[in-house]
Amino acid sequence: NAGVTQTPKFQVLKTGQSMTLQCAQDMNHEYMSWYRQDPGMGLRLIHYSVGAGITDQGEVPNGYNVSRSTTEDFPLRLLSAAPSQTSVYFCASGPGRRIFYTEAFFGQGTRLTVV
Amino acid sequence: LAKTTQPISMDSYEGQEVNITCSHNNIATNDYITWYQQFPSQGPRFIIQGYKTKVTNEVASLFIPADRKSSTLSLPRVSLSDTAVYYCLVGGFRDDKIIFGKGTRLHILP
Repeated sequence: NAGVTQTPKFQVLKTGQSMTLQCAQDMNHEYMSWYRQDPGMGLRLIHYSVGAGITDQGEVPNGYNVSRSTTEDFPLRLLSAAPSQTSVYFCASGPGRRIFYTEAFFGQGTRLTVV
Repeated sequence: LAKTTQPISMDSYEGQEVNITCSHNNIATNDYITWYQQFPSQGPRFIIQGYKTKVTNEVASLFIPADRKSSTLSLPRVSLSDTAVYYCLVGGFRDDKIIFGKGTRLHILP
């Protein structure tokens, strides 16, 4: 059972480049989300989804796009990378739409550096 | 989402019991209290959840007083490997997302 899988684990981008961070879960979870974590800081929610075809913005959505065409996948797109997007990105999933009554499972993170 | 307040950091020694208290004065009737643990360079992981009184599992205990305006995460006999950030979260059926605060950075000393 793979759980939540994020790819790639490390990435270096040049300013202005675009890329997609991949997140896949094999637990048939309805809830999926993306967070970023800057050094010494807590996690900040970027976007989240409570089911296929449904996405919503979190605390820091600017500069990022998401889509949820399947239950399993929730890719995060950086349209034009900026140095301020240098961070560690975590994907999470959870069973059910009422995520607070269950638990979230996190991936191992993607460390992104924008130069 | 109910606002939570917890200490920014704590130090303790190996073998001691560590208690981290979280305040959540505006907790709603249907809200649950959940704690996550994050080791360096890893994603957070769920450790315990409760609604009232006391909950215990193989990792920790969670104490919740009758008024539910605070809760205490108790880690028995900590080791160096318990060094991590601990997040207290409060939410319920009205919440369709998880917002993390800054958490408590626990540093275990030898």
